[in-house]
Amino acid sequence: DAGITQSPRHKVTETGTPVTLRCHQTENHRYMYWYRQDPGHGLRLIHYSYGVKDTDKGEVSDGYSVSRSKTEDFLLTLESATSSQTSVYFCAISSPDRGEGYTFGSGTRLTVV
Amino acid sequence: AQSVTQLDSHVSVSEGTPVLLRCNYSSSYSPSLFWYVQHPNKGLQLLLKYTSAATLVKGINGFEAEFKKSETSFHLTKPSAHMSDAAEYFCVVSEWSGGSYIPTFGRGTSLIVHP
Repeated sequence: DAGITQSPRHKVTETGTPVTLRCHQTENHRYMYWYRQDPGHGLRLIHYSYGVKDTDKGEVSDGYSVSRSKTEDFLLTLESATSSQTSVYFCAISSPDRGEGYTFGSGTRLTVV
Repeated sequence: AQSVTQLDSHVSVSEGTPVLLRCNYSSSYSPSLFWYVQHPNKGLQLLLKYTSAATLVKGINGFEAEFKKSETSFHLTKPSAHMSDAAEYFCVVSEWSGGSYIPTFGRGTSLIVHP
């Protein structure tokens, strides 16, 4: 989507290795979110950020960490990847305090083997 | 705490017939509500949003939804289905909670359109 990019788009990694996914925005939105999408579960929130260096956990945060050192970038790290973390990961941006909707990236398909 | 229930995991219609995708929500305050569509192997696209203005909200591609506070519902409708409407649809509720805005997703409804 315009103004938000995720990288990489696809990744295959081995169990036990660290993995970092990147979300980059050019919209200057305050809020950024990481979700994972799995069949039958919809999208579940992993972590979110409400400003530079301001982050908090979502409902499925175990095994994940995040960092936001500047407004544009929100990084999601799997410290030691497991097969249960095979999923499609989506980043979203918004300024909900201005009544705006959420804009999603194109997703990262991660496979842990 | 907020939550969203999409009442049907699958809805099957014939092309040219009406579409109804049902969504109930739970929210402590005045929520914002959204419908998103996801075509296979694609990202999520905003169809429409409700943010405390008119209760009948019109979106893209002929979709609309009505906010009914008394029924805590936000059902998505379209008068006439098109083959290109076949996709996954997500209802989302967002409200101010614990110092942040957190969007919560329903589990999705798969819309199947038969020729």
